Amino acid sequence: DAGITQSPRHKVTETGTPVTLRCHQTENHRYMYWYRQDPGHGLRLIHYSYGVKDTDKGEVSDGYSVSRSKTEDFLLTLESATSSQTSVYFCATRGSVEQYFGPGTRLTVT
Amino acid sequence: GENVEQHPSTLSVQEGDSAVIKCTYSDSASNYFPWYKQELGKGPQLIIDIRSNVGEKKDQRIAVTLNKTAKHFSLHITETQPEDSAVYFCAATLSNDYKLSFGAGTTVTVRA
Repeated sequence: DAGITQSPRHKVTETGTPVTLRCHQTENHRYMYWYRQDPGHGLRLIHYSYGVKDTDKGEVSDGYSVSRSKTEDFLLTLESATSSQTSVYFCATRGSVEQYFGPGTRLTVT
Repeated sequence: GENVEQHPSTLSVQEGDSAVIKCTYSDSASNYFPWYKQELGKGPQLIIDIRSNVGEKKDQRIAVTLNKTAKHFSLHITETQPEDSAVYFCAATLSNDYKLSFGAGTTVTVRA
């Protein structure tokens, strides 16, 4: 456990609305990640950050944006939520090489 | 990019028996292989990892083996207990890369 919290833990939203998920860490890790988890797909990387204001795309980045203004916070925004973005979202941080995961946010888009 | 395949997708074992999960990877340059356990409603938890300069690593009832030539690695759980019931994920990466590639997961059920 790398002192990672995610908020909210559960959210239901309507199609077309913007949604922001927050990840907060207390370990001062440089790297932070956002994954989504869907049945049969394991964990897929959405975006990651390698420092304040330094971010890059993962394999499933379409429809998502991120921001990191402080070392401890990494935000994931769904600009206009769609039903295909219903998923469980996990934040992770990287220590020397190991990645540690937060408790997840279950997002339902109706 | 790296492609990781994991088998089986589900595994049911009798309490006290062993469980084995196998993963293959595509990029021969990968050199770091972690395993995660995910309990219902929680985030994945790192349980063991292995680097490519090591063929086997043990931690109490769990062990991981790596065959670099064949590009596969396995998780072994001995003397399974009900609390071992969970979803297990393997992953692979270059240790100086920053992105993990995950397998699709194995749901392990330990029958009492």
